[in-house]
Amino acid sequence: DVKVTQSSRYLVKRTGEKVFLECVQDMDHENMFWYRQDPGLGLRLIYFSYDVKMKEKGDIPEGYSVSREKKERFSLILESASTNQTSMYLCASSGRFRGGPADTQYFGPGTRLTVL
Amino acid sequence: DQQVKQNSPSLSVQEGRISILNCDYTNSMFDYFLWYKKYPAEGPTFLISISSIKDKNEDGRFTVFLNKSAKHLSLHIVPSQPGDSAVYFCAAIRNQAGTALIFGKGTTLSVSS
Repeated sequence: DVKVTQSSRYLVKRTGEKVFLECVQDMDHENMFWYRQDPGLGLRLIYFSYDVKMKEKGDIPEGYSVSREKKERFSLILESASTNQTSMYLCASSGRFRGGPADTQYFGPGTRLTVL
Repeated sequence: DQQVKQNSPSLSVQEGRISILNCDYTNSMFDYFLWYKKYPAEGPTFLISISSIKDKNEDGRFTVFLNKSAKHLSLHIVPSQPGDSAVYFCAAIRNQAGTALIFGKGTTLSVSS
């Protein structure tokens, strides 16, 4: 079974702090993703990565950066946390696109981040 | 502009009856669609998918129907069970590399016993 783990389930930070959210997958997947989920807005893509050291902006990259130094690890960084970044953050991974089930994204359990 | 739309935020169904969750999309270049289920405080889990070359895919109690001309897909759950109560997200493959999904806003299904 694919396993995607996230470093924390719950996190409370103060405005202005630098925040690191870590995600690790154990299926040797090429692609990794960071989303945030907010009520009434569904899942919105922040950043994704096709390969080590590769990154692409998603729909809402402002205020975030990412790092992918190893294939299995994808980090989301909030350089200076703000209250509007309070949200559920979800990491996902998938294999290389082949037009089939390999596209399926597998999600971690999520990190509930509260910025005070 | 929302490319994947789930126009019903919620749906209530009795146990044993059929649940039908709907999804519309606007981009005719989408060629692969997926449904995810999400329980509170958990990550979404993959449920079922369908390629644009098909119009139906079935997996146990779950069936997805695709109507390309109408740019519409639906998820049928028969029979519905209380454990099916969750948020259901429709998603589509966004680009030629086929990696980034675009999600709808989700529909909360409540199945009462």
